Amino acid sequence: AQSVTQLDSQVPVFEEAPVELRCNYSSSVSVYLFWYVQYPNQGLQLLLKYLSGSTLVKGINGFEAEFNKSQTSFHLRKPSVHISDTAEYFCAVNSRSGGYNKLIFGAGTRLAVHP
Amino acid sequence: KAGVTQTPRYLIKTRGQQVTLSCSPISGHRSVSWYQQTPGQGLQFLFEYFSETQRNKGNFPGRFSGRQFSNSRSEMNVSTLELGDSALYLCASSFRASGDEQYFGPGTRLTVT
Repeated sequence: AQSVTQLDSQVPVFEEAPVELRCNYSSSVSVYLFWYVQYPNQGLQLLLKYLSGSTLVKGINGFEAEFNKSQTSFHLRKPSVHISDTAEYFCAVNSRSGGYNKLIFGAGTRLAVHP
Repeated sequence: KAGVTQTPRYLIKTRGQQVTLSCSPISGHRSVSWYQQTPGQGLQFLFEYFSETQRNKGNFPGRFSGRQFSNSRSEMNVSTLELGDSALYLCASSFRASGDEQYFGPGTRLTVT
């Protein structure tokens, strides 16, 4: 079975400071990895994905994430956050085997950017 | 391209009633997945359809069902509603059969009273 752990439920940070949102996963098979963002009263928007290749993945809005297979982690980072980055962030995995699209999500991390 | 659309956006129902939610995927996408989002349980997978076939189902009771039409539009149905079914129901579509990023709609907010 697969599972995703987001280590911080809330992360407060000041504007223009760097931020890291942590994600660890557990799976007996290889996985695809994703980060999604959800703004209030909206659906989920894809920030970035790791399917294969380079372990450093760049996404939209200046976010990036690094896949670390040995530590089974996929932490999300941004060097300088803006007020508009305040939202909930979800890490998700999808099994490489099985041949279907089924995302297993973490519980989410609420990022609060303060002026 | 238009994004994933879901109708209705908001719905209020009474316990014991049934409800049908609709999802139109991005043009050309053949995979549609449904998720339930609640404050207590987070985001949970309901089921996935590809080319009109249900390929995978999450751990939900049989009151939750769905279908997909030949144009890839999908509906999900919940019968005999319970208070605990109050949630945001999200639909997502993908182009490929597996390992693809999913694009989410805005969701349908269901409130059961």
